[in-house]
Amino acid sequence: SQQGEEDPQALSIQEGENATMNCSYKTSINNLQWYRQNSGRGLVHLILIRSNEREKHSGRLRVTLDTSKKSSSLLITASRAADTASYFCATDAAAGNKLTFGGGTRVLVKP
Amino acid sequence: KAGVTQTPRYLIKTRGQQVTLSCSPISGHRSVSWYQQTPGQGLQFLFEYFSETQRNKGNFPGRFSGRQFSNSRSEMNVSTLELGDSALYLCASSLYFRGQGNEKLFFGSGTQLSVL
Repeated sequence: SQQGEEDPQALSIQEGENATMNCSYKTSINNLQWYRQNSGRGLVHLILIRSNEREKHSGRLRVTLDTSKKSSSLLITASRAADTASYFCATDAAAGNKLTFGGGTRVLVKP
Repeated sequence: KAGVTQTPRYLIKTRGQQVTLSCSPISGHRSVSWYQQTPGQGLQFLFEYFSETQRNKGNFPGRFSGRQFSNSRSEMNVSTLELGDSALYLCASSLYFRGQGNEKLFFGSGTQLSVL
């Protein structure tokens, strides 16, 4: 079973708009990470947020973490066509050593 | 610095055959993880190696095995291939073993395996 579940499963927006996707998880975590995957390729690490952090920024990315609700959100501001990809959250659980990925959100940015 | 290299990029096999996939991590990375990605099951953790030792294993049958060499390069083997083994197999390396520091993973481009 997957630790993280992304919502929505798919998102279509116009270039310049913001894209928001959410991730919910079930157990306590050490950290939560977001990755991007372009079609049929490997994943690229975007940002890592630790359990004692509430918000992190990296360029046009903003990630929040609410450990009381066991949820995280990824916001991409001023989206570009190049942001078209699948986005995955991954949790590093407090118990166990594996990084567990959610099902992903497919984002389409239309020019 | 060269990234994670996976070979081959594409592979076509028939049921019952076996296959070996190779992964060369980023220089200096000692932890290597393998994931299977399919449209139906998403990204599933296979196993993780650190300093030639398997440190963690996912819920896959014994037909899936792996190993890591002293230079941190890793191979995974799938024996007696089944149609359901068709997937993108991804390898990822990291600088530290999880729980000891930076858990960020660097992924290769993957090996697309098709079982006919």
